[in-house]
Amino acid sequence: TQLLEQSPQFLSIQEGENLTVYCNSSSVFSSLQWYRQEPGEGPVLLVTVVTGGEVKKLKRLTFQFGDARKDSSLHITAAQPGDTGLYLCAGAGFQKLVFGTGTRLLVSP
Amino acid sequence: NAGVTQTPKFQVLKTGQSMTLQCAQDMNHNSMYWYRQDPGMGLRLIYYSASEGTTDKGEVPNGYNVSRLNKREFSLRLESAAPSQTSVYFCASSVYRAYEQYFGPGTRLTVT
Repeated sequence: TQLLEQSPQFLSIQEGENLTVYCNSSSVFSSLQWYRQEPGEGPVLLVTVVTGGEVKKLKRLTFQFGDARKDSSLHITAAQPGDTGLYLCAGAGFQKLVFGTGTRLLVSP
Repeated sequence: NAGVTQTPKFQVLKTGQSMTLQCAQDMNHNSMYWYRQDPGMGLRLIYYSASEGTTDKGEVPNGYNVSRLNKREFSLRLESAAPSQTSVYFCASSVYRAYEQYFGPGTRLTVT
């Protein structure tokens, strides 16, 4: 069974701080997706990383896929209250998408 | 372009009642999914339809049935609701399985 563990589970920080969320597995994935879910809404796709070692930037968010395609990280620079939400990683295997356990982020003004 | 739509947004049922959650997508996607999300837990796959005409069980299918009515629509039925089915239900779609998924806004279901 493919599992994706995310850490930390919860993160409460002040506006302006930096943070990193990790997504780890013992399985290899063909690609890895990151979603953000705001309170009361469905998850929304942020980015997909495909190549081992790949780095993608989305404004203040930096996503990296591990060299072995088993793990990924999301780094947020100068977090803002609008970044508050549940961050989910999802690994694409054969005919299957496996969702991580989620990281709940709260950014206070 | 509406994306994925779900109805209803909220529902309260008594134990033993039945209901159907509706989902439709207008992106011409082949695959559709039903998830439940409980407090403190991630998304758990209930059922999926890899393509029109096929449905398969996910990790938590007990107490649910699904129908892939056509390429656009995928419904989830609770035949006899139980308090353990109190949850937020999300429908999603993707071009093919393992591709990026697009989610609906969710249905908040309470079973008393």
